[in-house]
Amino acid sequence: AQTVTQSQPEMSVQEAETVTLSCTYDTSESNYYLFWYKQPPSRQMILVIRQEAYKQQNATENRFSVNFQKAAKSFSLKISDSQLGDTAMYFCAFMKHTLNAGANNLFFGTGTRLTVIP
Amino acid sequence: SAVISQKPSRDICQRGTSLTIQCQVDSQVTMMFWYRQQPGQSLTLIATANQGSEATYESGFVIDKFPISRPNLTFSTLTVSNMSPEDSSIYLCSVERQGVWNEQFFGPGTRLTVL
Repeated sequence: AQTVTQSQPEMSVQEAETVTLSCTYDTSESNYYLFWYKQPPSRQMILVIRQEAYKQQNATENRFSVNFQKAAKSFSLKISDSQLGDTAMYFCAFMKHTLNAGANNLFFGTGTRLTVIP
Repeated sequence: SAVISQKPSRDICQRGTSLTIQCQVDSQVTMMFWYRQQPGQSLTLIATANQGSEATYESGFVIDKFPISRPNLTFSTLTVSNMSPEDSSIYLCSVERQGVWNEQFFGPGTRLTVL
């Protein structure tokens, strides 16, 4: 079974500063995907960034980047130049690789509530 | 990405009644998923719905309590039956687009409160 752990229930950061959210996971799979989702107060889950486990290069999307350490089973999210709109719950999620559509369950961590302070 | 809508966005229901939640997608999708997010908690998968076949339920969830329909490639419903206060949660649908496996897009969720 897969487990995803986010050890920081809440974090805060000053606007324009950088913050890193932690995530660790446990799996026996060798091929899988990792995701960070953002859930603002509107409840809409938004995909922030994804990482394929077979890729050594860390994924980057504008101000968002990850530090993927496969051996350590660690997948942290770095948000640079934090903006007020980044205030949200952030969920780390795991999905094992499969060629079959519909077999792709997402396993979520418990989330980190990030507050960006003006 | 896919544009996903859910109805209703929120509802307050009495114990013992049932509520059907609709999920509509703006494009044809292979799979649709239903998740539950209990207050202050993470998301838990209820079931996976493939068009034209029975939904596949996760451990702890049964069809009698959460019947699901998937009549076509753009629509699904989840019914929460014989509700109790413990069913108070946000219910979210997500989709996996054809040809874009391993990525899911979420609807805005339905906030259900059971009194």
